[in-house]
Amino acid sequence: GAVVSQHPSWVICKSGTSVKIECRSLDFQATTMFWYRQFPKQSLMLMATSNEGSKATYEQGVEKDKFLINHASLTLSTLTVTSAHPEDSSFYICSARERDYNEQFFGPGTRLTVL
Amino acid sequence: DAKTTQPTSMDCAEGRAANLPCNHSTISGNEYVYWYRQIHSQGPQYIIHGLKNNETNEMASLIITEDRKSSTLILPHATLRDTAVYYCIVRAHTGTASKLTFGTGTRLQVTL
Repeated sequence: GAVVSQHPSWVICKSGTSVKIECRSLDFQATTMFWYRQFPKQSLMLMATSNEGSKATYEQGVEKDKFLINHASLTLSTLTVTSAHPEDSSFYICSARERDYNEQFFGPGTRLTVL
Repeated sequence: DAKTTQPTSMDCAEGRAANLPCNHSTISGNEYVYWYRQIHSQGPQYIIHGLKNNETNEMASLIITEDRKSSTLILPHATLRDTAVYYCIVRAHTGTASKLTFGTGTRLQVTL
């Protein structure tokens, strides 16, 4: 299957700082990328969907000014958590899909801890 | 509004077949049944998907009832490495309904 990578795999930051998470499709062109968040013992919650070259579409209740998503190329999407607070601590997972294909491939996730 | 219903947890002895059920009684004609699994602290892994015919690949088999209101994922010879949360998801292939929306899944514990 196709490979999706994320960087970093984990990050610890101080409250009030911003953190950028990268998601890359390594062997295919990801026309659509998705960002999910997962709190402990809970399921994945979709945060936003982005198509290459377009603005991201955010799910209800997700603050677009706090979670900045950029999908500037067919192999890279970034999620920036701005002014992070402890309640933003979570497991962030990206996913990518290639045009004309229906399988959606997931990255390994990034664990964010905000102190 | 959950579109699928799965048991919260299941146990299976190693080497035996694991049969994971899923109810999706409100599935639409253009929606597929997808199965993913998530091993602890990892991203979800695609397993299999189908529309109405039974499907089989190197990982598992998917049995979909004739009325498409339920399905069963079968891991023919479960191993300890199959311990994970298994998610049954229905989704269309186009439009806004093509998003993968995860429910609570079934936590499968494979034991010796």
